[in-house]
Amino acid sequence: GAGVSQSPSNKVTEKGKDVELRCDPISGHTALYWYRQSLGQGLEFLIYFQGNSAPDKSGLPSDRFSAERTGGSVSTLTIQRTQQEDSAVYLCASSPDGATNEKLFFGSGTQLSVL
Amino acid sequence: AQSVTQLDSHVSVSEGTPVLLRCNYSSSYSPSLFWYVQHPNKGLQLLLKYTSAATLVKGINGFEAEFKKSETSFHLTKPSAHMSDAAEYFCVVRRGSARQLTFGSGTQLTVLP
Repeated sequence: GAGVSQSPSNKVTEKGKDVELRCDPISGHTALYWYRQSLGQGLEFLIYFQGNSAPDKSGLPSDRFSAERTGGSVSTLTIQRTQQEDSAVYLCASSPDGATNEKLFFGSGTQLSVL
Repeated sequence: AQSVTQLDSHVSVSEGTPVLLRCNYSSSYSPSLFWYVQHPNKGLQLLLKYTSAATLVKGINGFEAEFKKSETSFHLTKPSAHMSDAAEYFCVVRRGSARQLTFGSGTQLTVLP
């Protein structure tokens, strides 16, 4: 069956450019997470969406980062004026019900390289 | 506040020998604890989870973990390593009733022939 899909799988950009990363969660999953994995680091929580509730943005590292989730499904993570320290793998995950089932289904990630 | 410490960034074992990946946590609440595995070029996969039903949790691929409250530990073990177990393993804690997860920094497991 279809899992969590992320696109693009790789993105190379120049410092100062804006990038958009896309996540298609598993159909019917109400919870959606974005994480960042930098080289040699663990996963860093960025943002969490649950249904129609206001997102938990507490992990976003700066105001250059934003995310939205349209229609409770697809999510886009936008990074404005990219910096070299933004280079990382950006992972999206979804789960059926964030309240009672924390099994997360992860996408394969987007490798972002900022030159 | 909550945190997760994976005590070893790299672990190497020989095929057929036991695996021990260590994890200690701190949490203000009774935690939910998880182990995830990430194989090269693949997404993260849930190995097992602890949610207070039983202290010894069995997961997929022969892995298990024991929750020890007195030691605030949730170490991952497997009796006999297989080459396919080579991957990065993450210990994760969930904060109380919230849904945010905190990941450890990961342990890279190498299995030698």
